[in-house]
Amino acid sequence: AQKVTQAQTEISVVEKEDVTLDCVYETRDTTYYLFWYKQPPSGELVFLIRRNSFDEQNEISGRYSWNFQKSTSSFNFTITASQVVDSAVYFCALSERGIQGAQKLVFGQGTRLTINP
Amino acid sequence: ETGVTQTPRHLVMGMTNKKSLKCEQHLGHNAMYWYKQSAKKPLELMFVYNFKEQTENNSVPSRFSPECPNSSHLFLHLHTLQPEDSALYLCASSQGGLAGGHQFFGPGTRLTVL
Repeated sequence: AQKVTQAQTEISVVEKEDVTLDCVYETRDTTYYLFWYKQPPSGELVFLIRRNSFDEQNEISGRYSWNFQKSTSSFNFTITASQVVDSAVYFCALSERGIQGAQKLVFGQGTRLTINP
Repeated sequence: ETGVTQTPRHLVMGMTNKKSLKCEQHLGHNAMYWYKQSAKKPLELMFVYNFKEQTENNSVPSRFSPECPNSSHLFLHLHTLQPEDSALYLCASSQGGLAGGHQFFGPGTRLTVL
């Protein structure tokens, strides 16, 4: 069965520090997608990134970067020079084919990140 | 209006009440989802609809009754709920199929059952 593990329940750092959120997944599929979502206090999940299982290149977007390592089934997320606005709950997710082709997402438990000024 | 909208944003109901949550997507997607998010079990998938047909029911109690009249609208009818049903209910939509498209989420309805 598909599974996503985010071992860090809560992380608290001081502004401008770098922080890495870990994500480990389990799947038997050869083709799959990995995602990161951000959930600010307002509640809405905001899409951050999607990664295809065949593309192991790391990605950088501004202060955000993602390290995908298939060998260790990990898809870690790093925020460089963190800011207070980065405070949120972050979810890692794995795609799973549902019945009749509708894609499903399996989410990790989430990591609550607090950036202190 | 764009994206995924949900109404109401907040709802307080008694255990004997009947209420409905509404979700609407303006993205032309084929699949829609209901999730429950509580402190005990973050982001539980409840139901999946693909082209208006229910394709997944994740062992949800019958006091939750979904309805999908078309690909743009999704309802969750609530009746005789329990206090433990208090949670954030999130709706999402996606293109459908394993195209790898991500799900777009609405802002959620914060439900409190007294």
